[in-house]
Amino acid sequence: DTAVSQTPKYLVTQMGNDKSIKCEQNLGHDTMYWYKQDSKKFLKIMFSYNNKELIINETVPNRFSPKSPDKAHLNLHINSLELGDSAVYFCASSQRGEETQYFGPGTRLLVL
Amino acid sequence: AQRVTQPEKLLSVFKGAPVELKCNYSYSGSPELFWYVQYSRQRLQLLLRHISRESIKGFTADLNKGETSFHLKKPFAQEEDSAMYYCALKWEGSRLTFGEGTQLTVNP
Repeated sequence: DTAVSQTPKYLVTQMGNDKSIKCEQNLGHDTMYWYKQDSKKFLKIMFSYNNKELIINETVPNRFSPKSPDKAHLNLHINSLELGDSAVYFCASSQRGEETQYFGPGTRLLVL
Repeated sequence: AQRVTQPEKLLSVFKGAPVELKCNYSYSGSPELFWYVQYSRQRLQLLLRHISRESIKGFTADLNKGETSFHLKKPFAQEEDSAMYYCALKWEGSRLTFGEGTQLTVNP
């Protein structure tokens, strides 16, 4: 009965590869987010979707492409992975009009 | 532009001592502020929000609009309080801007 889940938990891959991270929430929320937490623990928003529509798109390389097949899922696809993409990626969800965002456990990505 | 500043990256106190984690913000609109906590290798979770004026796990935070601050306080720190604490500002409906975080260590 996990509220916000992400797969995989850990991802180790080579530079240049393409990988995807999946996120699912069972809270019935209409808004989902992707955040990146770098090695210095700095947390920054990347994308947000509301009812499958992109509403926040921060300055993120085009290699990152979010996809929301339905409002319970928000996946993140990364092309041509680079060393600097190594980070922990957190998915979150919230209900528009309410304040609290609920976070997933994070996906620890290591690019070699 | 909106900004959240947590001046202390690391904070270390002894068990039973008071603790204050500082947070200052910059925002032209009406601020909504939060504290999130991340225990070691766990997910980020909401600790408290200024609107509800609640005390969670002994922590309180008061919004001071004059000083543009939202400092987090606890009178007697416990070892289990050791974690990363993020101050966050909500703006434009659902956007959250986080501070850089303060790693709190409570020593026995």
